[in-house]
Amino acid sequence: NAGVTQTPKFQVLKTGQSMTLQCAQDMNHNSMYWYRQDPGMGLRLIYYSASEGTTDKGEVPNGYNVSRLNKREFSLRLESAAPSQTSVYFCASSEARSYYEQYFGPGTRLTVT
Amino acid sequence: KQEVTQIPAALSVPEGENLVLNCSFTDSAIYNLQWFRQDPGKGLTSLLLIQSSQREQTSGRLNASLDKSSGRSTLYIAASQPGDSATYLCAVSRGPGGSYIPTFGRGTSLIVHP
Repeated sequence: NAGVTQTPKFQVLKTGQSMTLQCAQDMNHNSMYWYRQDPGMGLRLIYYSASEGTTDKGEVPNGYNVSRLNKREFSLRLESAAPSQTSVYFCASSEARSYYEQYFGPGTRLTVT
Repeated sequence: KQEVTQIPAALSVPEGENLVLNCSFTDSAIYNLQWFRQDPGKGLTSLLLIQSSQREQTSGRLNASLDKSSGRSTLYIAASQPGDSATYLCAVSRGPGGSYIPTFGRGTSLIVHP
């Protein structure tokens, strides 16, 4: 039982490049989330998916897109990376039957030069 | 909009001390409150979750309390150890109207020195 997994662990991009961050969970959770964590700013929600087939914007969605591929997988895409997107990205999942307790992945450290 | 504040931002204590970390929130209409631990370069690990109808939860040397009416939670760590050194974050979630999405505090960075 791996919980929440994320790939890659580290990535360096040049401004304007694109990439997709992958997230998968094996806990049969309905809800999944993407956050970014920046020094002094705390954790901020980018997008979330309350269930398979639905996605909604969070606090800081600009510059990102998401896909809920199936119940297990939720990906985050940067179409044209900018230095302001340098951050640590976390995926999380939760489920109503466990009172929406959040379970986090190990994170992806992204640097945009 | 919910705001979550954690005080102190940083704490350094000798091993063996009993500690209290504080979390306050502005909107008392919460669904749950969760305490996390984050080690450097790692993800968040859930420590305790308190439902809005509960007053406290305990796990080992950790005890978390919730006072919704005053908008406060405390995390009590008994007999601290160097292995407790980490950043501790609290998060509060609203119910269906807020899609159960948590708002996070910025954390308390704890160092326990031998």
